Amino acid sequence: DAMVIQNPRYQVTQFGKPVTLSCSQTLNHNVMYWYQQKSSQAPKLLFHYYDKDFNNEADTPDNFQSRRPNTSFCFLDIRSPGLGDAAMYLCATSRGGQGAYEQYFGPGTRLTVT
Amino acid sequence: SQQGEEDPQALSIQEGENATMNCSYKTSINNLQWYRQNSGRGLVHLILIRSNEREKHSGRLRVTLDTSKKSSSLLITASRAADTASYFCARGRRALTFGSGTRLQVQP
Repeated sequence: DAMVIQNPRYQVTQFGKPVTLSCSQTLNHNVMYWYQQKSSQAPKLLFHYYDKDFNNEADTPDNFQSRRPNTSFCFLDIRSPGLGDAAMYLCATSRGGQGAYEQYFGPGTRLTVT
Repeated sequence: SQQGEEDPQALSIQEGENATMNCSYKTSINNLQWYRQNSGRGLVHLILIRSNEREKHSGRLRVTLDTSKKSSSLLITASRAADTASYFCARGRRALTFGSGTRLQVQP
């Protein structure tokens, strides 16, 4: 009964080689989020989709892109990974609407850049 | 920084003891959430408290909110080894800003 699934759990990529991380959900939630979490730090929001509307955080580097082809899936594309992009990438979902709602997180993808 | 601050940064206690973690923030809020993260895993939602609430309970968890002091606390009573994790407060309606976190170690 997995709710937010992330693949792969571990990803190794080379410096400058594009990489895609994937997230899927079975909750039928309107909103999907991508967070970056570096070692011993708090998660930092990169962007989120409310349905098909994309919302980018002001300080998210252009190197990071996202796609949401349908309600269930969301992808994080890193066009040219640098050593500083090594981190845990967390996908989360929540209901939409006017209120604040809890977010459901996936287990994360740990990205290593060599 | 937009992030909230949490203290202590790290806390080590014995099983059965209570653990208190504090979160402070700078801007006004509509709600505050608390999450737990086990080592190397995703986050799990614990409690959401709204700005018009002062206290909320869930099992062994108790969260308080003082909007005049811009602070919140999370109390875990009768702690267990399985409570060992990092705990984060987060504010925001949709785009969450997480605090710096408290690493809790519960010794069996």
